[in-house]
This record gives sequence, C-alpha cells and structure tokens, in this order.
Amino acid sequence: AQKVTQAQTEISVVEKEDVTLDCVYETRDTTYYLFWYKQPPSGELVFLIRRNSFDEQNEISGRYSWNFQKSTSSFNFTITASQVVDSAVYFCARSGGFKTIFGAGTRLFVKA
Amino acid sequence: EAQVTQNPRYLITVTGKKLTVTCSQNMNHEYMSWYRQDPGLGLRQIYYSMNVEVTDKGDVPEGYKVSRKEKRNFPLILESPSPNQTSLYFCASSLWPRVSDEQFFGPGTRLTVL
Repeated sequence: AQKVTQAQTEISVVEKEDVTLDCVYETRDTTYYLFWYKQPPSGELVFLIRRNSFDEQNEISGRYSWNFQKSTSSFNFTITASQVVDSAVYFCARSGGFKTIFGAGTRLFVKA
Repeated sequence: EAQVTQNPRYLITVTGKKLTVTCSQNMNHEYMSWYRQDPGLGLRQIYYSMNVEVTDKGDVPEGYKVSRKEKRNFPLILESPSPNQTSLYFCASSLWPRVSDEQFFGPGTRLTVL
C-alpha cells in the first residue's frame, strides 16, 4: 500500500514556539495531490491546504507554511508563533485519483 | 449553507442489527466517500463514489455496503454490525470525480456496537 507517514504522534509546545509537523508519503503516481487537514477538539475536519505534484513552491498563509519536497517525498507543515487555538490533530493526506490515503495524524498541544 | 450532513450523529447498537448512516451534500459534488477514524490509524477510506451508480472499494470495505442512487446522497449500510466496527465515521464530498480538490467533511457519526 502507498502509505502516508506522520512519525510524530504527539507534540507539545509552549505558546509562541514554532513547530513543524512532518509528513512523508509513498506514491507510484506521476500526478498526485497532497493535503493537510485540521481536527480541533470539537471534532470536525477542516481543510488547510492542497498541493499538486507539479507545484513544489512553498506556501505561506499567515502563521502557517508548507514545505513540499518531491525529492524526499515530504510535505511538512510549520506553525510559526503557535497559539493555544492551534491545539488539534493534524492529518496529512495524499490522493492519486479516486482514493485518498491519510496519515495517522499528529496531535499538537499548545500550552499557554 | 454549503454542507455535508450525516445522521445519526451518535448511535449505540447491538451485534447483528442492521443499520444505515445517511449522508447528504448540497453542493452538487460528483465525488463522495466514507471514512472511519480510529485511534492511531487516522482516517481510512471505506468506499467512494465518483458519480451516480458508480462506487468502488476503499482500503477497508469489509462489512460495509454503499449505494449512490442520487447525486446528493451516499448512505453507508452495515448489514450485520460487529464490535470491531465501533468507530467514528465521516462522510465527505468533493467537486470532481477525481480527488484533486479539498474534500468537505460531515460532522461525523460515532457508532458503538455492543
């Protein structure tokens, strides 16, 4: 199976620290899409970002940034100056057509 | 309001008693899918549908059935639930048949099978 690996099960930081969530994927597809979703304590799943396999430009959105490196099959997510509201489970996912594979998720605790 | 709805939100049942979890979207999306979320395993895809009357298996289809008779609805059927199907279930939809865009998720259905 083509896996998505989020090696960090839980991360705990203090507010205002920067934190990076790692995501490594496997794929045999030439064209594929990568995603990050956030699941806050309330339980809903919130879309954060989408990247296609031909676009390796890094992206920044406010305090969030994403680093896509095809050479290492990684799509890492950095939160700068973390806040308590960033506490959530974050999922990385890959789709190469009709199926989507999610990673196991990283639970982020941000302490005040 | 654009949304994916699921019912029921919570369900406790007993082994072997058939149940259906409904899913509906009002965004005219082509693609719909069911996932289950279990601790330490993330979300795993059960079934998906690229269009009306077109469905296919995901990674964990055993013990589940689906149908897509209308574009907006994609019910998940457990004909003979077992305790290992106790989980949090999410329905999702996406605009295009191939998952090239974000998926919109329903609020989840927490199922307990005793």
